Amino acid sequence: SQTIHQWPATLVQPVGSPLSLECTVEGTSNPNLYWYRQAAGRGLQLLFYSVGIGQISSEVPQNLSASRPQDRQFILSSKKLLLSDSGFYLCAWTPRSDYGYTFGSGTRLTVV
Amino acid sequence: RKEVEQDPGPFNVPEGATVAFNCTYSNSASQSFFWYRQDCRKEPKLLMSVYSSGNEDGRFTAQLNRASQYISLLIRDSKLSDSATYLCVVNRGNKLTFGTGTQLKVEL
Repeated sequence: SQTIHQWPATLVQPVGSPLSLECTVEGTSNPNLYWYRQAAGRGLQLLFYSVGIGQISSEVPQNLSASRPQDRQFILSSKKLLLSDSGFYLCAWTPRSDYGYTFGSGTRLTVV
Repeated sequence: RKEVEQDPGPFNVPEGATVAFNCTYSNSASQSFFWYRQDCRKEPKLLMSVYSSGNEDGRFTAQLNRASQYISLLIRDSKLSDSATYLCVVNRGNKLTFGTGTQLKVEL
């Protein structure tokens, strides 16, 4: 069966520090992968998605970036965090774009 | 106009009640529709897909009206454990767009 792993579960980082969040999927190949962010009390905002290795589409211009170095690995990064980057970061995957997504358990990031 | 609009609630209902949530979407080209459930401080989980013919899963029934661009979710015989936020979700090309959710609180 397919599983999605996301870590760490919580993270407290100072303003201006770098960020790297990792997500991996097991039990499938060539998944579509997604990074979403949910600010406190807000809806899910799509940040990046990828339909294949090295293919990244950005939805919202900001100081975040994403990479897909391997088929089942998706990484979210920042060189310098802002206070506004605080939120609940969720990775998701799907085998097809018209299927529902399965989410990882999320990373709660607080920038201080 | 938002791509997916939902009444944020909260809907406070007694245990055993029937409750209905509605959602409208703006992109008439959307092909896939879903309801997700999100518990407090947890990831969203797929509750059910929504089909034009309507579909049922136990106490849950979902309906889609393409002409009105309207999606509904009916929960019968509400349980305390149904308390959560329910997200209406619509596809847009390779991506899913999530509504901001409707909060349900089931009370004794």
